[in-house]
Amino acid sequence: EAGVTQFPSHSVIEKGQTVTLRCDPISGHDNLYWYRRVMGKEIKFLLHFVKESKQDESGMPNNRFLAERTGGTYSTLKVQPAELEDSGVYFCASSQGLAGALNLYQETQYFGPGTRLLVL
Amino acid sequence: GNSVTQMEGPVTLSEEAFLTINCTYTATGYPSLFWYVQYPGEGLQLLLKATKADDKGSNKGFEATYRKETTSFHLEKGSVQVSDSAVYFCALLGRGTYKYIFGTGTRLKVLA
Repeated sequence: EAGVTQFPSHSVIEKGQTVTLRCDPISGHDNLYWYRRVMGKEIKFLLHFVKESKQDESGMPNNRFLAERTGGTYSTLKVQPAELEDSGVYFCASSQGLAGALNLYQETQYFGPGTRLLVL
Repeated sequence: GNSVTQMEGPVTLSEEAFLTINCTYTATGYPSLFWYVQYPGEGLQLLLKATKADDKGSNKGFEATYRKETTSFHLEKGSVQVSDSAVYFCALLGRGTYKYIFGTGTRLKVLA
């Protein structure tokens, strides 16, 4: 079974440019999450999809970030325009099951390798 | 709110040394607790987990026990190897939520 994949693995862009990150979750996983680790700090939650619907985007830093999951399969995270403080590692994760499931809190989330974003 | 505190690194050990990475948490109710590991150039991998008090998670020689009385989930290994060199993250998942709360990560370097 293929794991969570992310593309690209690395991206170096200049301030003001646009970058789009892609995440392919494990096949059949309804839940998809985005997290970010900025410069050696803790990994922080950004948002959560259930299929194609955004369940929670409370962790999104600001409106320069836009996440989509058309068709409930892969997801993209666009940063436009990028700023210096957006540099970090962006992780995607997925888990099986539907939101509202009683045992969702026990579900293990499977993480991708991350995309390292550097904004110069 | 919920939070996780883990010891700062880096931690440098000789091969076969005993490892402890401390992790304490603050949470309402009974969260699930996890240790994730990130090897160089790879993504986060689940190392072990525990879902209730006094549970012991174990994998690859690593162990951690969910201690509610001390709100801790310390990671231990009796004899580390060079291949254990990685960054280790402690995390919690609050009851009824899906947002992992991570610690800052602890880098471990094992020397031959």
